Amino acid sequence: KNQVEQSPQSLIILEGKNCTLQCNYTVSPFSNLRWYKQDTGRGPVSLTIMTFSENTKSNGRYTATLDADTKQSSLHITASQLSDSASYICVVTPGWGRALTFGSGTRLQVQP
Amino acid sequence: DVKVTQSSRYLVKRTGEKVFLECVQDMDHENMFWYRQDPGLGLRLIYFSYDVKMKEKGDIPEGYSVSREKKERFSLILESASTNQTSMYLCATLGTGATYEQYFGPGTRLTVT
Repeated sequence: KNQVEQSPQSLIILEGKNCTLQCNYTVSPFSNLRWYKQDTGRGPVSLTIMTFSENTKSNGRYTATLDADTKQSSLHITASQLSDSASYICVVTPGWGRALTFGSGTRLQVQP
Repeated sequence: DVKVTQSSRYLVKRTGEKVFLECVQDMDHENMFWYRQDPGLGLRLIYFSYDVKMKEKGDIPEGYSVSREKKERFSLILESASTNQTSMYLCATLGTGATYEQYFGPGTRLTVT
């Protein structure tokens, strides 16, 4: 069964610090991997999308990495801000691009 | 600017009521999805549609049905609402191209009492 596992489940960091969120997947075949940010009570918003040939993709202070060989991805947040407090969801798309497999998310809390 | 809208942000219904959740997109996307999101379970696919009047069951279709009469509108129907259908419901569309960008609506938080 295709799965996406994220770790940690939750994380608390101080404002200004960096953090890294992990995503491991078993989805096959693989088309692309996305990271979403979801604020409480809102729909997810796309941060990055990477195809299997891409290793790194940045969006401001967010940098996603992908190792398609080990089926691992990470999302690195630099110089965290209070507004980064949200859930971060890893989503993997199989080869045909319709049904997506979602991780259960990492809940990040940034404290002053 | 891309837009996916949902008819209600918050909804409270009684057990046994028929509930309609509507989703409208303005991107001319063919693929539309309904998910529910529960704590610790992530997003789970209820139904999706890849064309007008076409629909396919997702992972948890029981207790739900859908309607896609027009390309821009995808409705989720709870035939007889139950308390275990209390959840956050998210509509999404899927674009075309190499990256298949997916856009989500703001969500509807449904409470069934």
